[in-house]
Amino acid sequence: AAGVIQSPRHLIKEKRETATLKCYPIPRHDTVYWYQQGPGQDPQFLISFYEKMQSDKGSIPDRFSAQQFSDYHSELNMSSLELGDSALYFCASSLESRVYGYTFGSGTRLTVV
Amino acid sequence: AQTVTQSQPEMSVQEAETVTLSCTYDTSESNYYLFWYKQPPSRQMILVIRQEAYKQQNATENRFSVNFQKAAKSFSLKISDSQLGDTAMYFCAFMKHIISGQAGTALIFGKGTTLSVSS
Repeated sequence: AAGVIQSPRHLIKEKRETATLKCYPIPRHDTVYWYQQGPGQDPQFLISFYEKMQSDKGSIPDRFSAQQFSDYHSELNMSSLELGDSALYFCASSLESRVYGYTFGSGTRLTVV
Repeated sequence: AQTVTQSQPEMSVQEAETVTLSCTYDTSESNYYLFWYKQPPSRQMILVIRQEAYKQQNATENRFSVNFQKAAKSFSLKISDSQLGDTAMYFCAFMKHIISGQAGTALIFGKGTTLSVSS
């Protein structure tokens, strides 16, 4: 079965640089979520999209933005990177009418040096 | 606002034994969903089991079962016949009920319990 695909798997950036993370949800899933998980922490919700429109916003810094495209893939853009942005970034997708919990991607590990 | 509390940061168990992970939550919602996710060293988030609040019957998935006490707002996970592959961080998570035609809502996670299974 198709899963949630995230790219890249690993990313190393310097402070003040920009990073773009990509997420390809499971086909026909209509909702995409982004989470940030720091070392030893629980995942923190950043932002979500339902049918290509932003549906909810969590603790996403103003330096971050995201969008969902016509093919339902989503991108998380992160600018002016800080050391504290080093984390595992998860994308998850779901079909709103079926509450089976989300399906998570494998995550992108971002390291800011 | 909803909160999820996992009071056991770490637990350990021997292979083939049974272990119970605790989770409590706070919400004013009457209908919602509860989940347990497993995160092994690979960091992949894997759904273990889910429970719908309006169902009184406790969910079961093979060796995994829950004890859902709605009035007490408690949702514990029991792992029977523990295996080495069960070694992972376990997160309890809450999600509000989804209204058909509207977007899903964010999962709210507890801080997690690190489970170590030894031989």
